[in-house]
Amino acid sequence: AQSVAQPEDQVNVAEGNPLTVKCTYSVSGNPYLFWYVQYPNRGLQFLLKYITGDNLVKGSYGFEAEFNKSQTSFHLKKPSALVSDSALYFCAVSPISNTGKLIFGQGTTLQVKP
Amino acid sequence: NAGVTQTPKFQVLKTGQSMTLQCAQDMNHNSMYWYRQDPGMGLRLIYYSASEGTTDKGEVPNGYNVSRLNKREFSLRLESAAPSQTSVYFCASSDPTGYTFGSGTRLTVV
Repeated sequence: AQSVAQPEDQVNVAEGNPLTVKCTYSVSGNPYLFWYVQYPNRGLQFLLKYITGDNLVKGSYGFEAEFNKSQTSFHLKKPSALVSDSALYFCAVSPISNTGKLIFGQGTTLQVKP
Repeated sequence: NAGVTQTPKFQVLKTGQSMTLQCAQDMNHNSMYWYRQDPGMGLRLIYYSASEGTTDKGEVPNGYNVSRLNKREFSLRLESAAPSQTSVYFCASSDPTGYTFGSGTRLTVV
């Protein structure tokens, strides 16, 4: 079965330190990969996506993600965390296309402390 | 502002009651989706519509029905609400540039 895993329910990091939110997937073929962020009582906001090309993708708010095909991973990273980055982060995969159905991971809560 | 609009934002239902969640997008997207969000489970697809006039089941369709009324509107109906349907529901639409999500409907079934 196709699936997306975010192995950490919560990630804690001090402001100014680098952060990583992990994502692995089990999807056949060449999937499209996404990261979304959700602030309390809000909808999902798009951060970045990987379709093809360079394995390092840059997105909104200084976030980037590294695609690793051999490890089937798509980890979200930021060099220097901000308190305002505290939110719920979702990794998602579309097995078919840029506009097909999305399969979401469980979500990871990022807590950035001052 | 362009985007996906969901109504209502909050709703409390009694077990067995019915209701329809409304969703409209003004971006001329072909594809529309309904997801539910539950703690620790991410978002799970209930139904989707690849184009006007077509609908298909997603991962968790039981207890729900949908209608793609026209290109703009995609409604989700609960015929007989159950406590297990307590959740936050998100509508989304997509085109080749990506997805846009609504702000969600928080539904509680008591």
